[in-house]
Amino acid sequence: QKEVEQDPGPLSVPEGAIVSLNCTYSNSAFQYFMWYRQYSRKGPELLMYTYSSGNKEDGRFTAQVDKSSKYISLFIRDSQPSDSATYLCAMRGTSYGKLTFGQGTILTVHP
Amino acid sequence: DAGVIQSPRHEVTEMGQEVTLRCKPISGHNSLFWYRQTMMRGLELLIYFNNNVPIDDSGMPEDRFSAKMPNASFSTLKIQPSEPRDSAVYFCASSLALGQGNTGELFFGEGSRLTVL
Repeated sequence: QKEVEQDPGPLSVPEGAIVSLNCTYSNSAFQYFMWYRQYSRKGPELLMYTYSSGNKEDGRFTAQVDKSSKYISLFIRDSQPSDSATYLCAMRGTSYGKLTFGQGTILTVHP
Repeated sequence: DAGVIQSPRHEVTEMGQEVTLRCKPISGHNSLFWYRQTMMRGLELLIYFNNNVPIDDSGMPEDRFSAKMPNASFSTLKIQPSEPRDSAVYFCASSLALGQGNTGELFFGEGSRLTVL
């Protein structure tokens, strides 16, 4: 079993839809949770960053962490075609820089 | 500011040839990571350097792979001899190390797409 599980999709939604992306993990030492966005033929870029449990909102994006369930989510409101990309969850413990990534979910928002 | 710079962007080679990928991290960053990305396995950490010293190379698949960081501004990943199953996109990323009041955010280069025929 992988440490981080993420449904690779692909996920296709109409413009304006609410998108929900999710990851589960097995390592209880993970404390920092991130979402990276990767456009085609580019490197991943940090989108959201959360420490421990709770919610964090940034514009149309909301990240949620439920450590009791070992489950994290990213919600995108009013999705736009420019949101079409691969979304990767990533997480790590407290004392080491290594990030463990999920498989990535391919999202397409069509006009 | 310049980001992480990788070269070459694309490499096509034949099985058995040596491949060298290069990376220049962001100035001032003291951690450097090499990742490999494939459709089947996603992003996998190959090796991690802190202050030019390899900290964790447990992700290096086998002895055919080697990585060096001779100074703070340059790193190489070498595959010798290359095999078709090495075909992937190889990413270099850099960050400030944890413990300096930062999140440890990784800044990725644009990747080197390797095809081994």
